[in-house]
Amino acid sequence: SAVISQKPSRDICQRGTSLTIQCQVDSQVTMMFWYRQQPGQSLTLIATANQGSEATYESGFVIDKFPISRPNLTFSTLTVSNMSPEDSSIYLCSVVGGQGYGYTFGSGTRLTVV
Amino acid sequence: AQSVTQPDIHITVSEGASLELRCNYSYGATPYLFWYVQSPGQGLQLLLKYFSGDTLVQGIKGFEAEFKRSQSSFNLRKPSVHWSDAAEYFCAVIGSSNTGKLIFGQGTTLQVKP
Repeated sequence: SAVISQKPSRDICQRGTSLTIQCQVDSQVTMMFWYRQQPGQSLTLIATANQGSEATYESGFVIDKFPISRPNLTFSTLTVSNMSPEDSSIYLCSVVGGQGYGYTFGSGTRLTVV
Repeated sequence: AQSVTQPDIHITVSEGASLELRCNYSYGATPYLFWYVQSPGQGLQLLLKYFSGDTLVQGIKGFEAEFKRSQSSFNLRKPSVHWSDAAEYFCAVIGSSNTGKLIFGQGTTLQVKP
């Protein structure tokens, strides 16, 4: 399965600022996703990162708040904009491998907004 | 709409005892099912997955799961639990075979008593 490098692993940010999270994969993948895990909760899909086009957002998530880029088949970024304490969560990148059956997750970015 | 239910929020077992974590899904077509484990402060690790074929699936770390279509279940089992198995366990289903988006259950926290 693919190996994912996600950066940063954790950060503490001031409210009103923005943080960009990077997801680098060691091989080309067909699909990339961004998930949020709020404290003590399960995972919720934020969006599907589409290569060369705008991301597809799930209900409750908007591009202005969570802009996503995917310039190629191995890299994506998620930005959490104008942060508030409610954005404190773990953000995880996930990919589906070339054969379609490898749903692999990055180690996550633990974000604390103060 | 597709959904996943993990009825047990918290389970405690003694080390060496057997384990079964329950998962029920709601999905009209043939589901793609997954079990993930998340250790404290870590990302998600795939334990096993079911796409088709043999309904008893073997995974890593001695885990197995059985797909029962008649019961809409995909329960995770391990014959003898080790202290290192203490973690959060998530069952997930692909919401659509075309999108590849994972829908997660609420998670089950496993505590292992010495």
